Amino acid sequence: KQEVTQIPAALSVPEGENLVLNCSFTDSAIYNLQWFRQDPGKGLTSLLLIQSSQREQTSGRLNASLDKSSGRSTLYIAASQPGDSATYLCALYSSASKIIFGSGTRLSIRP
Amino acid sequence: EAGVAQSPRYKIIEKRQSVAFWCNPISGHATLYWYQQILGQGPKLLIQFQNNGVVDDSQLPKDRFSAERLKGVDSTLKIQPAKLEDSAVYLCASSLLVVDEQFFGPGTRLTVL
Repeated sequence: KQEVTQIPAALSVPEGENLVLNCSFTDSAIYNLQWFRQDPGKGLTSLLLIQSSQREQTSGRLNASLDKSSGRSTLYIAASQPGDSATYLCALYSSASKIIFGSGTRLSIRP
Repeated sequence: EAGVAQSPRYKIIEKRQSVAFWCNPISGHATLYWYQQILGQGPKLLIQFQNNGVVDDSQLPKDRFSAERLKGVDSTLKIQPAKLEDSAVYLCASSLLVVDEQFFGPGTRLTVL
């Protein structure tokens, strides 16, 4: 059974730092992995989608990588800003367990 | 391009009452998803439609929850009767294809008293 883990559950860093968020999974038979951000009381905003055949995707200051062999994806945020404060969630679409979300990492950027 | 629309945004009901949520996906998106998100957790998939057919409803509590997507566009999720543990945010999402990037609506926050 696919399990998705996001550690740490919460992270606070000063503005301007580069940071990495982690997403681990147990079953490498996935179709894709998607990263989202969720602001308090809001829905999810899609950040990046990585297909199973891809190793990474980039959008602006964000870079997401995928390593199926180690069961890990990372979301790299460069030059963090207070506006980046949100909860970041990863979701897998796998052949066995369909769509599974992690519990998220709550990120706080201190001015 | 209009996003995923959901209504109502908030709903408060007493336990054992019924409630229905509505979702209108992005135009042209064949796949529609309903999720339940309990505070502090990631969303849990309840049901996935491809056009008006069900792809996956393995986590839908079918004794009290039902969903339909007539004509392959709008969708309705119903809870009857509601329990206290149904208090959550109900999120609707859509994607162009089955295995594709998902786009979410703002959600409906349900409180069951």
